[in-house]
Amino acid sequence: AQKITQTQPGMFVQEKEAVTLDCTYDTSDQSYGLFWYKQPSSGEMIFLIYQGSYDEQNATEGRYSLNFQKARKSTNLVISASQLGDSAMYFCAISIGGGYNKLIFGAGTRLAVHP
Amino acid sequence: GAVVSQHPSWVICKSGTSVKIECRSLDFQATTMFWYRQFPKQSLMLMATSNEGSKATYEQGVEKDKFLINHASLTLSTLTVTSAHPEDSSFYICSYYSDQETQYFGPGTRLLVL
Repeated sequence: AQKITQTQPGMFVQEKEAVTLDCTYDTSDQSYGLFWYKQPSSGEMIFLIYQGSYDEQNATEGRYSLNFQKARKSTNLVISASQLGDSAMYFCAISIGGGYNKLIFGAGTRLAVHP
Repeated sequence: GAVVSQHPSWVICKSGTSVKIECRSLDFQATTMFWYRQFPKQSLMLMATSNEGSKATYEQGVEKDKFLINHASLTLSTLTVTSAHPEDSSFYICSYYSDQETQYFGPGTRLLVL
């Protein structure tokens, strides 16, 4: 069975600093996708970044980048130059299924950015 | 990016009543969509997968007779919580699947059953 583990229930970071949110996964599938979503207090799920299991390069999207280590089954999210608006819950997810479209989410990490 | 709407955004109902939640994609059509549930301070849990024109597939532990899903068209799916009880109070979120890298989430519906 697939599993996503986020071991950091909460993280603090100073504004303008970088922060790394950890995520490890467990799957027997050869092909899968890894996602990170941001959920502010409003509840909406905001897509941040995607990494395919066969992508050799780490994904980057603006201030978001992934440290993807396939052998270790980890996909850590790095947020550079943190902003106050980055304060939110962050969820890591793995997509499974034939077209790997079902998402299994981790428990989430609450990030607080301090001025 | 694609926009997905949900209605209502908030609903309070009495125990024993049924509640219908609509999920609508506003600018694209998709055959596959998902319903998730999120209890307070917890993660999202997949409830069911539905494909337009066929019956929904429910995850283990989710009662199909209690959570009725109707994927009426390529742009509309509804989730009906039948005979709601306080333990059904939760945040319900739908998503439309576009491709392997893309899943569009609705803004969610908060259900409170008294």
